[in-house]
Amino acid sequence: SQKIEQNSEALNIQEGKTATLTCNYTNYSPAYLQWYRQDPGRGPVFLLLIRENEKEKRKERLKVTFDTTLKQSLFHITASQPADSATYLCALNTGNQFYFGTGTSLTVIP
Amino acid sequence: GAVVSQHPSWVICKSGTSVKIECRSLDFQATTMFWYRQFPKQSLMLMATSNEGSKATYEQGVEKDKFLINHASLTLSTLTVTSAHPEDSSFYICSARDWRTGGSYEQYFGPGTRLTVT
Repeated sequence: SQKIEQNSEALNIQEGKTATLTCNYTNYSPAYLQWYRQDPGRGPVFLLLIRENEKEKRKERLKVTFDTTLKQSLFHITASQPADSATYLCALNTGNQFYFGTGTSLTVIP
Repeated sequence: GAVVSQHPSWVICKSGTSVKIECRSLDFQATTMFWYRQFPKQSLMLMATSNEGSKATYEQGVEKDKFLINHASLTLSTLTVTSAHPEDSSFYICSARDWRTGGSYEQYFGPGTRLTVT
C-alpha cells in the first residue's frame, strides 16, 4: 500500500523566511498530490493541487513542486508570517480514495 | 462555495450508546463523501468512502457493523458509531468532492466532530 511520509514533525522558522516542507511517498505515483492546512480542532483546508504532469504550481506565497522520479513533493511558503503557523498535510489519491501524510507542524516565530 | 458542515461539532456519550454524525455539502452536490478519524497528533485515517445511493466502501480494519454509513442524498452522509466505547473517542471528519471542478480531485472538509465516550 502507499506510504506517505512528511519529513519532520515540527518546523520552526523566523518570520519572513521561506518554509519548506517535504512529502515523500512509496510505490506508484498518484495522478494528483494535494496540500492541506489544518488548524487545531478544525478540519483540513485545501491549499493546492498538483498533477503528475506538472512540475510546479504557485498560489500567492505558496509553491508546490512534484518530482515523480524522486517520489517527492516540496511545499514552500515564502515571506512566512505567524498566521501561517499550522499543521500542513500532503495527500495522495489512489483511485477514489485519498491518503494523508503524517503532517508537519509549522511555527513561524515573530 | 464548496462548504461542508458537520453536526454536532462535539458530543459526549456513555459507553454502549450510539451516536450519529451528519455531514452536509451546503452549496454543491457531492456524489462521494469520505469519513476520516484523527487521533491526537496523528494524521487523518480514511475510514470509508461513501457514494450516494450505494453501500459504503470501508478501509481494511474498519468494522462496518460498528461504523454505519448512510449516503442517502447528494448533500447528506451520516456516520453512526454503534455501541460506542472509550477507544472510539476521536475527532471524526468528513469530506466531499465537488464534481463541478470537472473531475479534479479536490475535496472539501467539514469542521470535524469531537466524540468523547465516557
